[in-house]
Amino acid sequence: NAGVMQNPRHLVRRRGQEARLRCSPMKGHSHVYWYRQLPEEGLKFMVYLQKENIIDESGMPKERFSAEFPKEGPSILRIQQVVRGDSAAYFCASSDGNQPQHFGDGTRLSIL
Amino acid sequence: AQSVTQLGSHVSVSEGALVLLRCNYSSSVPPYLFWYVQYPNQGLQLLLKYTTGATLVKGINGFEAEFKKSETSFHLTKPSAHMSDAAEYFCAVTPGTGGFKTIFGAGTRLFVKA
Repeated sequence: NAGVMQNPRHLVRRRGQEARLRCSPMKGHSHVYWYRQLPEEGLKFMVYLQKENIIDESGMPKERFSAEFPKEGPSILRIQQVVRGDSAAYFCASSDGNQPQHFGDGTRLSIL
Repeated sequence: AQSVTQLGSHVSVSEGALVLLRCNYSSSVPPYLFWYVQYPNQGLQLLLKYTTGATLVKGINGFEAEFKKSETSFHLTKPSAHMSDAAEYFCAVTPGTGGFKTIFGAGTRLFVKA
């Protein structure tokens, strides 16, 4: 069974560019969660999606960040006009609606 | 509202010694509690979880944790540390009433000395 797949594993962008992070949940999971991890910190909840719906985006910055989970295809976390402070590891997790969540290996975003 | 406090950002033990990683939580509803381990450049792997029932839960790699409601604690222990246990450990809480938002502690980095 394939686990949660995130790509790319590493992403480098220049300030002002767009970053698109992809997450394919585990087979049979329709709930996706995105977290951000800054160096030496724990994971901070960003957004929770269920197929085609955003359930809770209370952890998302108000500007530049958006997430989607279309009917077909992976969930996408999109960061527009990236800034140095967006540098972090972004983790996706999935579940079948119950706990626990299963995590991917993350995308490490570096902003030049 | 929920929160998690992990006491000690770094813990160092000798190989073969007891591992004790501390976690205290606050929750306005009965919580579900988790310990995850993270190895460098990897995601989080579930070590163990408490939902209901027995308060002493056993996980993978010889780890166990005890849910103590009176102390609002969920400390992680392992009787004998192995070099391969060196990693970052995260305690997490989620509402046991069916909520989904998981709150993580800041993490404890475990060092194991030969």
